[in-house]
Amino acid sequence: SQQGEEDPQALSIQEGENATMNCSYKTSINNLQWYRQNSGRGLVHLILIRSNEREKHSGRLRVTLDTSKKSSSLLITASRAADTASYFCATDAGGSQGNLIFGKGTKLSVKP
Amino acid sequence: DAEITQSPRHKITETGRQVTLACHQTWNHNNMFWYRQDLGHGLRLIHYSYGVQDTNKGEVSDGYSVSRSNTEDLPLTLESAASSQTSVYFCASSKARRSDTQYFGPGTRLTVL
Repeated sequence: SQQGEEDPQALSIQEGENATMNCSYKTSINNLQWYRQNSGRGLVHLILIRSNEREKHSGRLRVTLDTSKKSSSLLITASRAADTASYFCATDAGGSQGNLIFGKGTKLSVKP
Repeated sequence: DAEITQSPRHKITETGRQVTLACHQTWNHNNMFWYRQDLGHGLRLIHYSYGVQDTNKGEVSDGYSVSRSNTEDLPLTLESAASSQTSVYFCASSKARRSDTQYFGPGTRLTVL
């Protein structure tokens, strides 16, 4: 069952531009996480935002969470070619198991 | 440094054979997970474990099994490999709460001919 869904599926920008990716989910959550996956590699955790938080920053990353709209966005500012990767949001279903459910990802391409 | 490793990194096998994928973590994490990643489906949970001797089925567990005899290892076994199990498999671990940050291994690319 898919909980989070990223939008857009693919995004191509120039170096220096900002990249915004969105994630929508269906049921209430305890937290929402964003992961990055470089080609041929495992996922790497970027940031976790809890349901009682609205915004969180980490370096060039800014994550917002709107629980009323069941959506989150990931903003990467001043993008670099090294940011080229797929980005996934993951939510816990908030139920007794609370395992993470991953979306299908946004493929970001940053052209030099 | 603590890490999570998977072996082999690439495997080609034939339909009907039993295959075991290894996952080893030195984080001393209680929770371990196996996912498969396929185009168009994202990451799907196969099995997970919250501690030694604990195993649970995930979303796509048919044809797979796991066992947890110690904290560090969670091997994934395909009892009788099928072409539909051709995929990239990722192991992950997390420290405490079930929805905690997960640390992923590098993946195993499995091809079933």
